[in-house]
Amino acid sequence: AQSVTQLDSQVPVFEEAPVELRCNYSSSVSVYLFWYVQYPNQGLQLLLKYLSGSTLVKGINGFEAEFNKSQTSFHLRKPSVHISDTAEYFCAVSVYGGATNKLIFGTGTLLAVQP
Amino acid sequence: GAGVSQSPRYKVAKRGQDVALRCDPISGHVSLFWYQQALGQGPEFLTYFQNEAQLDKSGLPSDRFFAERPEGSVSTLKIQRTQQEDSAVYLCASSLAPGNYEQYFGPGTRLTVT
Repeated sequence: AQSVTQLDSQVPVFEEAPVELRCNYSSSVSVYLFWYVQYPNQGLQLLLKYLSGSTLVKGINGFEAEFNKSQTSFHLRKPSVHISDTAEYFCAVSVYGGATNKLIFGTGTLLAVQP
Repeated sequence: GAGVSQSPRYKVAKRGQDVALRCDPISGHVSLFWYQQALGQGPEFLTYFQNEAQLDKSGLPSDRFFAERPEGSVSTLKIQRTQQEDSAVYLCASSLAPGNYEQYFGPGTRLTVT
């Protein structure tokens, strides 16, 4: 079975500061990795995904993430955050070659950007 | 183009009532997923359709939950005899094809059972 751990339930940060949101996963098989963002009362929007190739993945809104297979991590980073980045961020995995491509999510991290 | 739409956006049901939640996926998307998101939690998989075929219903929490997609487009999630623990946001997502891992999510239906 697969699982995703997001250790930080909330990350407060000042505007224009850098931020890292942590994600670790557990799986006995190869997985694909995703970060989604959820703004209040909205559905989830894909930020970025790692399927193969370069372990450094760039996404929308200036976010990037690095896949580290040995540490089973996929941390999300942004060098300078804006107030508009305030939202809930979810890390997710999907089994490589799985029958359904279903996503397994972590519990989410609330990024709270303060002026 | 239009994204995934869900209706109603909010639903309040008395315990024991039946509810039906609708999902309109992106036109042409073969794969459709339902997820349940409890307050303060990440979404959890409920069921998966490939066209009209329900290929995975392993996440449905009880036999009170039923989903269908009879013509391979619109899907309905039905919950019979609702219980308070069914209160959650129900998210629908679609993707272009089974091998395409990018899922597009709707805004969700917030169900409150009183």
